[in-house]
Amino acid sequence: QVQLVQSGAEVKKPGASVKVSCKASGYSFSNSDISWVRQAPGQGLEWMGWISPYNGKTIYAQELQGRLTMTTDTSTSTAYMELTSLTSDDTAMYYCARVVGPGPPYNWFDPWGQGTLVTVSS
Amino acid sequence: AIQLTQSPSSLSASVGDRVTITCRASQGITSALAWYQQKPRKAPKLLIYDVSSLHSGVPSRFSGSGSGTDFTLTISSLQPEDFATYYCQQFNSYPITFGQGTRLEIK
Repeated sequence: QVQLVQSGAEVKKPGASVKVSCKASGYSFSNSDISWVRQAPGQGLEWMGWISPYNGKTIYAQELQGRLTMTTDTSTSTAYMELTSLTSDDTAMYYCARVVGPGPPYNWFDPWGQGTLVTVSS
Repeated sequence: AIQLTQSPSSLSASVGDRVTITCRASQGITSALAWYQQKPRKAPKLLIYDVSSLHSGVPSRFSGSGSGTDFTLTISSLQPEDFATYYCQQFNSYPITFGQGTRLEIK
């Protein structure tokens, strides 16, 4: 079955960077895009951006531009999300999700990874 | 960015009840709307896409409707496993946005 498995929880100090991985299985990795969504404690869902493993094209949420980098490694079917200059506001659960549908932005997300908790604390 | 406003923000209901959750968009989004269910400490799960298309494996008691700016998710007869938080999502244009969520609790 289609599955996304993310890397483990991270604790970072303010100003540091974090890189989260998302390993896909059960489908052709290059044929489906990946989105990242985060959720601060007790809050709603915030879309961060989208990447095409096929050609590496990305679209990032404007408020994260300059701090966010999404990449993929098709040889290992793994997507990565790196966020720099972390602050306490970046403390959240980070999810990757496979993008499904006819084409960007007309896409929905299924399935989602299990989530990676990133805690930013001094 | 397109804003999605869900109502109510929380809802108490009993097993067997019929429940409706509303999602209103700040501008027209044609049929580019999905619904997700999230249980505590779990990732969201897709329920409905394209306003009313039921995702594979989702029980038929879930249904979606609407167009333009006003959309609804209906659960025809609540089951114990349905108590969760529900989010709408628009994919008409970037940035993709979600509603703030509706928490469905047991009465």
